[in-house]
Amino acid sequence: GAGVSQSPRYKVAKRGQDVALRCDPISGHVSLFWYQQALGQGPEFLTYFQNEAQLDKSGLPSDRFFAERPEGSVSTLKIQRTQQEDSAVYLCASSSGAVVSDGYTFGSGTRLTVV
Amino acid sequence: QKEVEQDPGPLSVPEGAIVSLNCTYSNSAFQYFMWYRQYSRKGPELLMYTYSSGNKEDGRFTAQVDKSSKYISLFIRDSQPSDSATYLCAMSAGNFNKFYFGSGTKLNVKP
Repeated sequence: GAGVSQSPRYKVAKRGQDVALRCDPISGHVSLFWYQQALGQGPEFLTYFQNEAQLDKSGLPSDRFFAERPEGSVSTLKIQRTQQEDSAVYLCASSSGAVVSDGYTFGSGTRLTVV
Repeated sequence: QKEVEQDPGPLSVPEGAIVSLNCTYSNSAFQYFMWYRQYSRKGPELLMYTYSSGNKEDGRFTAQVDKSSKYISLFIRDSQPSDSATYLCAMSAGNFNKFYFGSGTKLNVKP
């Protein structure tokens, strides 16, 4: 596609519910990233994939967070037993990885509200 | 202390003004420096990229990096109302697959 697509755009979850957030990166982009952006803050790194391999998951805040990219394209971020502190915008970004100066292309994010 | 510090603003300027946005950082290993612009309810979009120290100009935008002071700046000349957005600095060490972002500065350019 022309850009990074994320769905759903908005998600309201009751505390304790599991959620799954989807990211469709730009076709052909080998690198995929998930960031968490709390209200009024900058994005914070969660995890990074190169193709289907998860090479860095150091930013995942707890074992309730799990990400996968089984075929090296679409990625899903899953949050189990959601808590109020999980409320944030979850941003997905992709990169060709070939040219550093291209940076990332971000999606518009999924805004998660845990009530 | 956060690795990247950025004044959250808001910064309000009249149309046509020169805007200066800044970030400081603590990690001397940072080599890649980027500025992103984020409109409300949108993802960040890349504005400028600089490697190591120096200046880079692109149209109305100039990015400066002073590694000795651990200080980076973005200047916007002839600011326009369409420049109203949140500006995020981001930086990375040798592995540019993990960027550290500032908290963003909200800019409002008044017509």
